[in-house]
Amino acid sequence: EAQVTQNPRYLITVTGKKLTVTCSQNMNHEYMSWYRQDPGLGLRQIYYSMNVEVTDKGDVPEGYKVSRKEKRNFPLILESPSPNQTSLYFCASKDGSARSYTFGSGTRLTVV
Amino acid sequence: GQSLEQPSEVTAVEGAIVQINCTYQTSGFYGLSWYQQHDGGAPTFLSYNGLDGLEETGRFSSFLSRSDSYGYLLLQELQMKDSASYFCAVKRGNDYKLSFGAGTTVTVRA
Repeated sequence: EAQVTQNPRYLITVTGKKLTVTCSQNMNHEYMSWYRQDPGLGLRQIYYSMNVEVTDKGDVPEGYKVSRKEKRNFPLILESPSPNQTSLYFCASKDGSARSYTFGSGTRLTVV
Repeated sequence: GQSLEQPSEVTAVEGAIVQINCTYQTSGFYGLSWYQQHDGGAPTFLSYNGLDGLEETGRFSSFLSRSDSYGYLLLQELQMKDSASYFCAVKRGNDYKLSFGAGTTVTVRA
């Protein structure tokens, strides 16, 4: 089944403890992106990657890092999480020519 | 920068028609998409307009006017399962950036 898989689905962590949210897609898509969703703000793009080793900042990149060493994986790294990064996070992928993006099921992160 | 405006909430009865408007201000506009999201789940793609006019997909249609920086999603023959949040999203340039509106919560009543 074609899908974008994020792990974990839920995570509670403490301020300053480094964490990684994984994202993997099995559709051989070139493009991958991370979004965060907060009430009343919709989805805001954090980082995106147009292909292996090609990444760029979205609209809210502060406090996040990404890497794209393989086409299928695009992990989101929070080196020193803070409470304002408590949010619902989505990974998405898209084939270069496609109109639509496929989203993962989301990761609900709480930083205390 | 860019901004997208859409109503925050709409309520309608089963069988009715709902129109969700979206106005945008952005540089490098490339196209307007619509996504549906149920209860914080994965957003799912509904429609895309790259050119002016109407796109129809079953009960859902989407319209774009590039000169007015305006689009809408039309939901016809509303069903209870259509209760969800709907987001318009602007594709900017040809660099895969996608910016979302804050979303419209549609509630369908029996």
